[in-house]
Amino acid sequence: GENVEQHPSTLSVQEGDSAVIKCTYSDSASNYFPWYKQELGKGPQLIIDIRSNVGEKKDQRIAVTLNKTAKHFSLHITETQPEDSAVYFCAASPTYGNNRLAFGKGNQVVVIP
Amino acid sequence: GAGVSQSPRYKVAKRGQDVALRCDPISGHVSLFWYQQALGQGPEFLTYFQNEAQLDKSGLPSDRFFAERPEGSVSTLKIQRTQQEDSAVYLCASRPLAGELYEQYFGPGTRLTVT
Repeated sequence: GENVEQHPSTLSVQEGDSAVIKCTYSDSASNYFPWYKQELGKGPQLIIDIRSNVGEKKDQRIAVTLNKTAKHFSLHITETQPEDSAVYFCAASPTYGNNRLAFGKGNQVVVIP
Repeated sequence: GAGVSQSPRYKVAKRGQDVALRCDPISGHVSLFWYQQALGQGPEFLTYFQNEAQLDKSGLPSDRFFAERPEGSVSTLKIQRTQQEDSAVYLCASRPLAGELYEQYFGPGTRLTVT
């Protein structure tokens, strides 16, 4: 099955700086890569996703890049704000079966005011 | 509109007790997933329903875990004879269609603590 690894496990950034989280995946059949934000006591919330036919996608301060050859994808948050502090999960989903998600272990992002 | 809801939000069970966790997906959503999230970890897949059919239960950790969705809407995850290792947050997610790469909408989860 799919194995997703996420680095680093914790990231502290000054407010206004950029944050980058990287993930690698193992299954070349995966073609859907969402990023979820999880705040304490809440369920994961999708913030951006990318499909394998696209190399980059941007939504305001958030962008995701995908390198299918190297099997890695990254989340970029620019102009970080205190409300960006949360745990971020990357995930990958293959085309076969029911498109279930394989998640990374998560990355704690702390934005220092 | 209403999102995915789960109840109870918190459940404490003594080892050996049976528990039932409920998920109300977004109305009309065909696909429903259950995930287990251990402390400090990412969610891990348990089982998948397409309408009332349970198409994949390969992630259920033991035969003590059972899930159903009899009318293709509300789903219940049941854990029999709970063990301490069952302590986790149980997340439910729904998706509009089957076989498509759409967003999965997650509920807030049920935090199960087995003492």
